[in-house]
Amino acid sequence: AQSVSQHNHHVILSEAASLELGCNYSYGGTVNLFWYVQYPGQHLQLLLKYFSGDPLVKGIKGFEAEFIKSKFSFNLRKPSVQWSDTAEYFCAVNPDSNYQLIWGAGTKLIIKP
Amino acid sequence: DAMVIQNPRYQVTQFGKPVTLSCSQTLNHNVMYWYQQKSSQAPKLLFHYYDKDFNNEADTPDNFQSRRPNTSFCFLDIRSPGLGDAAMYLCATNRAKMNTEAFFGQGTRLTVV
Repeated sequence: AQSVSQHNHHVILSEAASLELGCNYSYGGTVNLFWYVQYPGQHLQLLLKYFSGDPLVKGIKGFEAEFIKSKFSFNLRKPSVQWSDTAEYFCAVNPDSNYQLIWGAGTKLIIKP
Repeated sequence: DAMVIQNPRYQVTQFGKPVTLSCSQTLNHNVMYWYQQKSSQAPKLLFHYYDKDFNNEADTPDNFQSRRPNTSFCFLDIRSPGLGDAAMYLCATNRAKMNTEAFFGQGTRLTVV
């Protein structure tokens, strides 16, 4: 079955630290990849997406993600986090066999001021 | 301008009293989804419409029903809400093809008292 794994359920960092959140998926075909962010009490927002082309994609608020096809990974990065990045981050995959999104379990990120 | 609109943003209902949540879209997307999201969990797909075709997830309780009277509108009916149905309900739309993204509404937070 197709699945998405986010390795860390909770991450706590200090401001200005670098961030990397892992995401791996299980599907051998073509995929579209997404990272969504959900700030406390708010709705889901699209952070960035990958459809094709340059495997390093840049999103809003200084986030970027790298698609490594050989590793079935789409890790999210930010060089220097801010307190306002405290949120839950969800990785989602849309395989070409299925128009629906398959979701990871989410990573709760807490930034200490 | 909001493209996927959910009403109301907050809904309080009594235990066992039927409640309807609504979603409208201005994108003319052929697929509309309803998700249930509980605190610190990934969105859980309840069902979706592909055009007029209704697709229920296998583990969606019978207590949850949906209607899509036209392309623009979709409703979620909870026939007899229980305390365990308190959650954020998310509506989303997409074009059911690769290289497109899903658009989410702001959600309706349902409280059952």
